[in-house]
Amino acid sequence: DSGVTQTPKHLITATGQRVTLRCSPRSGDLSVYWYQQSLDQGLQFLIQYYNGEERAKGNILERFSAQQFPDLHSELNLSSLELGDSALYFCASSVGRNSPLHFGNGTRLTVT
Amino acid sequence: GENVEQHPSTLSVQEGDSAVIKCTYSDSASNYFPWYKQELGKGPQLIIDIRSNVGEKKDQRIAVTLNKTAKHFSLHITETQPEDSAVYFCAAGEGAGSYQLTFGKGTKLSVIP
Repeated sequence: DSGVTQTPKHLITATGQRVTLRCSPRSGDLSVYWYQQSLDQGLQFLIQYYNGEERAKGNILERFSAQQFPDLHSELNLSSLELGDSALYFCASSVGRNSPLHFGNGTRLTVT
Repeated sequence: GENVEQHPSTLSVQEGDSAVIKCTYSDSASNYFPWYKQELGKGPQLIIDIRSNVGEKKDQRIAVTLNKTAKHFSLHITETQPEDSAVYFCAAGEGAGSYQLTFGKGTKLSVIP
């Protein structure tokens, strides 16, 4: 068990809808990362937060947004969902700079 | 940006044999190279990592080698066991305060008892 908790484990929703994925990092970790895993694209970096502030952006769509709260948990918001957004969404956390990433078990999103 | 190529995509070995997975990267600024193991229904689990100032690192049956000149790194698993069966991912990180890891496409390793 990595210590990173993601909820929900599964999410099924319709096109056009909005969902929120939640992540609780390991105790003591200040950095949170979001990754998307799909069969054809592999693991793609979306966004990173460090102690509440956005630090880096990857291939994140404008329909997606995230935030990290004062208690360090993070939420990834996906809106105007499309069929192609169906994927596994992983959260990872690390202590900070130059520290290894530890992944949660992901949220499987299915858009119908 | 960084591009990581991983080979092979699938690998089958007999129990007790060795397995080798190879990755190449494109960005010479990358200085952190972790390997992750992903089992079905779970998230990637860090199994070993290496930084650019080290050429080789070993942890029991697992070893990683890095050739910065050639921009490639490899994972070596010796005395494979059925529980080693999983998908393995290599990654390269840019460092500089955050690790925006770029992952390879993964290798599905099957260890045949």
